[in-house]
Parts: sequence; structure tokens; C-alpha cells
Amino acid sequence: AQSVAQPEDQVNVAEGNPLTVKCTYSVSGNPYLFWYVQYPNRGLQFLLKYITGDNLVKGSYGFEAEFNKSQTSFHLKKPSALVSDSALYFCAVRESRGSTLGRLYFGRGTQLTVWP
Amino acid sequence: DADVTQTPRNRITKTGKRIMLECSQTKGHDRMYWYRQDPGLGLRLIYYSFDVKDINKGEISDGYSVSRQAQAKFSLSLESAIPNQTALYFCATSDWDRGRPGGYYEQYFGPGTRLTVT
Repeated sequence: AQSVAQPEDQVNVAEGNPLTVKCTYSVSGNPYLFWYVQYPNRGLQFLLKYITGDNLVKGSYGFEAEFNKSQTSFHLKKPSALVSDSALYFCAVRESRGSTLGRLYFGRGTQLTVWP
Repeated sequence: DADVTQTPRNRITKTGKRIMLECSQTKGHDRMYWYRQDPGLGLRLIYYSFDVKDINKGEISDGYSVSRQAQAKFSLSLESAIPNQTALYFCATSDWDRGRPGGYYEQYFGPGTRLTVT
């Protein structure tokens, strides 16, 4: 069965420092991987996705993520954190075969706090 | 996202009441989804719909029903609300292209409905 794990409930980082939000996945075939961000009182916003191709994908707001097939990971990164990056981040996965409905499986979320 | 709207944004109701949450989209997407979000549990899929005639249960459909009135509208009903249905509910939409790798575009989410059942 497909699943996503975000091992850290909370990540704290100082503004200007690099940040990493971790995600590991489990699927039976090739994965399609996504990161979403949720700001307070808002819906989820799409940040980036890995479907195929380069393992390093770039997304919105200066975020990037690295797909590592051998470690089944898709960690979200940013070279220099901003206070405005503080939000709840969700990793999601979908299988590349089987059902074609586009169903996503979400992790439990990681609360990122960037302090000034 | 203004392209996906949800009403109401907040609702408090009593146990046993019937309640409907509504979702409308202007993105022209065929696929629509209902999720609930609970603290520490992430998002869980309740129902999803490929098009007006195609509705499917998700992982936690018990106690819920849906109606796809049109391509742009997808409603979620709680026939008899209970306190453990207190949660944040999100509607989402996505496009689909069989010729595209994965055939799949990212999902776009509405702002959410905060439902409290007392």
C-alpha cells in the first residue's frame, strides 16, 4: 500500500539558514511525489512535484526537492529560510500505475517555524 | 484559491443534524475530491469524482455522502453529524491528460470549511 512518512512534526530554523523538511514514501511502482504548503486559515497550495526526469526539482517561493529512489525520499529544501516560510508542509505520493484516478496519499504534515 | 470556493467557511452544528458542505470551481476540471484534515493525521480522502456520473468512495466515506450536481459543483453531506466529524474539510480539483506522464496534474484546494459538531 502507498504511504508517506514525515518523520518530524516540527522543524525550527533561523531566518537565513537552510531548511530541510523530510519525507519518505512507500509505493509498489514508480512514485509521483508532491509537496504542498498550508498557511494558517488557508487551503493547501501546490509547491512542486516530481514525475520523471531530473532528481532535483524546483518549485515555488525558492523551494526545491530532491528525489532519491534508493532511499525512497523526497526532502524539501530551501537554501535560505524566510520568516514568511513558516507554515504546515505536506508531502504526498501517488503511484504511477494501477488506478488512474490521481488519488494522493498525504503525510501527516510538518510544522515549519522560522524565527527572526 | 479563488478558483475553488467552499461554503460555508465555518459551521457549528449539533449531533444528529444533517449538514451540507458545498464546493464550486471555475477551473473547468473534471476531477473533484473531498478531504478532511485532523491535527496530526494529515489529509484523508472521503470521496472523489471523475465526472458527473462517476463518484467513488475514499478511505473514510462512512457517515458521508456526496452529490456531483454539475462539472463545477461537488457537495458533501453529513446525514447525521456526530462529534468525531469535527474537522477541517477541503475540496480539491484536478485536471487529467492521458498523454501526460502520470496523466495527472496537481490538485488545487479550496480554502476549507471548519466544521464543529457539538
